[in-house]
Amino acid sequence: GQNIDQPTEMTATEGAIVQINCTYQTSGFNGLFWYQQHAGEAPTFLSYNVLDGLEEKGRFSSFLSRSKGYSYLLLKELQMKDSASYLCAVRAGTGGFKTIFGAGTRLFVKA
Amino acid sequence: EADIYQTPRYLVIGTGKKITLECSQTMGHDKMYWYQQDPGMELHLIHYSYGVNSTEKGDLSSESTVSRIRTEHFPLTLESARPSHTSQYLCASRGWDTNQPQHFGDGTRLSIL
Repeated sequence: GQNIDQPTEMTATEGAIVQINCTYQTSGFNGLFWYQQHAGEAPTFLSYNVLDGLEEKGRFSSFLSRSKGYSYLLLKELQMKDSASYLCAVRAGTGGFKTIFGAGTRLFVKA
Repeated sequence: EADIYQTPRYLVIGTGKKITLECSQTMGHDKMYWYQQDPGMELHLIHYSYGVNSTEKGDLSSESTVSRIRTEHFPLTLESARPSHTSQYLCASRGWDTNQPQHFGDGTRLSIL
């Protein structure tokens, strides 16, 4: 079956670095996305990985290992506004059409 | 900035009413989606569309229906609303290439009394 696992909740301190892990088992793989979702709002796109390695975008970086079915999102210099849910999503299937979302990791940033 | 719009943003309505949630996008995207999400919970795909005249049911069983008569428009209809339909409904679209992320509307928060 198709499965995506992420920790349910994480807490980190303002200014620190936090790593949110995601493991997946899917039929076919056509890329992995990370989205940020603030409470009561819609998800917004953060990053995309399709090849192994690290993609860096300002304070956010995302890593992918396809052989291990593993990704992480790294947030540096944490700010209070980074308190949100972070959703890992895999585009699976032979046609690359179906996107499977994880349940999300709720990150709390404390002062 | 993504251009995908949902109306209404909030709706409180009585049981048994017929409801249509609107979703429109101006990006020319072929692929569109409807998700249901309860507060603090995961997204559940309820319907999707490859393009005009194409609609498919998603993973979550739903009593709703959708139509796709025009590329830009993907409305969701509940024929007879029930309290169990109370939730947030999110519409999304994306471009054809597999590296394209989904762009989400602001959602409709639906409460059935």
